[in-house]
Amino acid sequence: DVKVTQSSRYLVKRTGEKVFLECVQDMDHENMFWYRQDPGLGLRLIYFSYDVKMKEKGDIPEGYSVSREKKERFSLILESASTNQTSMYLCASTTRAGNNSPLHFGNGTRLTVT
Amino acid sequence: DAKTTQPNSMESNEEEPVHLPCNHSTISGTDYIHWYRQLPSQGPEYVIHGLTSNVNNRMASLAIAEDRKSSTLILHRATLRDAAVYYCIRRNAGGTSYGKLTFGQGTILTVHP
Repeated sequence: DVKVTQSSRYLVKRTGEKVFLECVQDMDHENMFWYRQDPGLGLRLIYFSYDVKMKEKGDIPEGYSVSREKKERFSLILESASTNQTSMYLCASTTRAGNNSPLHFGNGTRLTVT
Repeated sequence: DAKTTQPNSMESNEEEPVHLPCNHSTISGTDYIHWYRQLPSQGPEYVIHGLTSNVNNRMASLAIAEDRKSSTLILHRATLRDAAVYYCIRRNAGGTSYGKLTFGQGTILTVHP
C-alpha cells in the first residue's frame, strides 16, 4: 500500500515564524501536491510538483513556497506565518502513469498560527 | 477539472444501500468521473472512477447515466465506517493536468446504527 507520511499531525507556530511542513511518499511517485482544507471552502490546491526540482502554482500559492530536492519528499514552506494560514494541510502523491491514477493523501497537518 | 453538484448531506441506516448522486451536466467527452471520500480526521481516499460504463470494485459501484450528465455512487451495505464526506470530481484524462484534482464541497454521509 502507498504511504504518504506528513511529519507532524499538529503544529502551533507564532505569527512571523518560518514554518516547514514535510511530506514523504514511499511509492516512487512523480507527482506530489499540497492542499489546504478549510471549513466551507473545501480542499484548495496550493502547489504541486511533477518532478524533482519542478514546481507549479496551484490555485492559492500566495504566502507559500515549496521544495522538491528528492523524489520522495515535498516540503511546503510558510516564509512568514500569518493567522490566516491556520488550516489543515494535506499532502498527496500520484504516479505519472496515466491521468486517472488515484491520488494518495496523507492524514494531514493541522497548523495553528497564533 | 470543473464543477460537479452534490447534495450537502445524506443519511442512511446501517446495512442498507446508499445512493449518492452527482450532477455534471457540462461534462466533456474526455472527462472521467472520480469519487473520493474523507473519513473523520483523515485525508481523502480514492473510491472509484469511470468514463461511460458502470464500474464495480470492492468498495463501491459507480453508475453513470447514458448521457453522462450524472452519476451515482452506490454503497451496497452501509456500515458505520462509511460515514464520511464523499466527493465527486470530474477529471480530464488528457492534457498535462499532472493528476491534480479540484474538490467541491462533497456530500456528508451520516450512517445510523
